[in-house]
Amino acid sequence: QVQLKESGPGLVAPSQSLSITCTVSGFSLISYGVHWVRQPPGKGLEWLGVIWAGGSIHYNSALMSRLTISKDNSKSQVFLEMNSLQTDDTAMYYCARGGVGNYYAMDYWGQGTSVTVSS
Amino acid sequence: DIQMTQTTSSLSASLGDRVTISCRASQDIGNYLNWYQQKPDGTVKLLIYYTSRLHSGVPSRFSGSGSGTDYSLTISTLEQEDIATYFCQLANKLPYTFGGGTKLEI
Repeated sequence: QVQLKESGPGLVAPSQSLSITCTVSGFSLISYGVHWVRQPPGKGLEWLGVIWAGGSIHYNSALMSRLTISKDNSKSQVFLEMNSLQTDDTAMYYCARGGVGNYYAMDYWGQGTSVTVSS
Repeated sequence: DIQMTQTTSSLSASLGDRVTISCRASQDIGNYLNWYQQKPDGTVKLLIYYTSRLHSGVPSRFSGSGSGTDYSLTISTLEQEDIATYFCQLANKLPYTFGGGTKLEI
């Protein structure tokens, strides 16, 4: 079955960088894109960006200068890197599959990984 | 950027009720509107895509409608397991903005 699982550092110091890995199973990154979405505590969902099956990438323009999304198809992994973290980057970070033939919906989501930015 | 607004942030209902959750876009989004359910444990699931198409495995008590800038998600008969927060999401233009969410409570 389709599964996505995020893994991250948990705690990051202010001004440092964040790296999160999304490991997928049950489908191929050659055929599906993967989105990144985050949710600060008690707040709504914020779309961060997407890496499409063919490798093209789109970012939320508000965060584009700090974000890098990449992937390794052979390892079934997608990577999110964010630099210059501040306390308001504290959030649950999710990866989600970009469905095919469903009008750009995110059809399966990971459980999320919590990131706290604190000294 | 297109803004997505869910004017009701919290909604109280009783089991068995018919519940409707609304979402408004700041411009016509041509039915590219998706609905997601987030359970209290953080689990997120796709319910409806392209305004009214039910995602695989989603109970038929969920339905979606709308056009232009105004969209809605309806639960025909509220069940205990439907207690969650519901988000709409724009899907035809980047960034794929989400609405602020509507928390459904008993």
